[in-house]
Amino acid sequence: DTAVSQTPKYLVTQMGNDKSIKCEQNLGHDTMYWYKQDSKKFLKIMFSYNNKELIINETVPNRFSPKSPDKAHLNLHINSLELGDSAVYFCASSQRTWTATGELFFGEGSRLTVL
Amino acid sequence: DAKTTQPNSMESNEEEPVHLPCNHSTISGTDYIHWYRQLPSQGPEYVIHGLTSNVNNRMASLAIAEDRKSSTLILHRATLRDAAVYYCILRDGTLGGTASKLTFGTGTRLQVTL
Repeated sequence: DTAVSQTPKYLVTQMGNDKSIKCEQNLGHDTMYWYKQDSKKFLKIMFSYNNKELIINETVPNRFSPKSPDKAHLNLHINSLELGDSAVYFCASSQRTWTATGELFFGEGSRLTVL
Repeated sequence: DAKTTQPNSMESNEEEPVHLPCNHSTISGTDYIHWYRQLPSQGPEYVIHGLTSNVNNRMASLAIAEDRKSSTLILHRATLRDAAVYYCILRDGTLGGTASKLTFGTGTRLQVTL
């Protein structure tokens, strides 16, 4: 069983469209994250949620709206897609006390291509 | 976030030890040193982390300099499956739990050859 699963794995769409990426974790963790990896391979945190509450929001444009229906799911909705949104988006999860173990668990990524 | 400096790439032969260096001269006393790796087409994977003392786990060892301005990730016997980008990351230890985060740099691309 995949611990952190993301769908879709690949997404190709036109500029101006709205799209969503879903993430689910079956590890029983209470904190989830979205990271973005751009074409230069920099991996940057976008959001983190703990028990459905937004904790970290790293100055991401308002077009990006995370939604956490429960602590096992964190979805990312993107409005009015732009070329610069093309990237690989990674979902991750952890226990609230992850700083002791050092471990974030990442999904395999969702590659978004905006044409 | 305090910055880390790593070589862009390194090569190793299979079955030999690999020492991946990381400089973090501006590290503060409360920064933890984390190492993650990212295999091709996969998400990052935790390797090891430490604060002041050297650390060992089943994947690797972490050697931390006495002044903490540098550290070295040691893979004892590299295999082809260890070919990945290795990230050395400093995490602010004053932030606990949910407010804490990892800021990834560019990492070191490790190539392992037969």
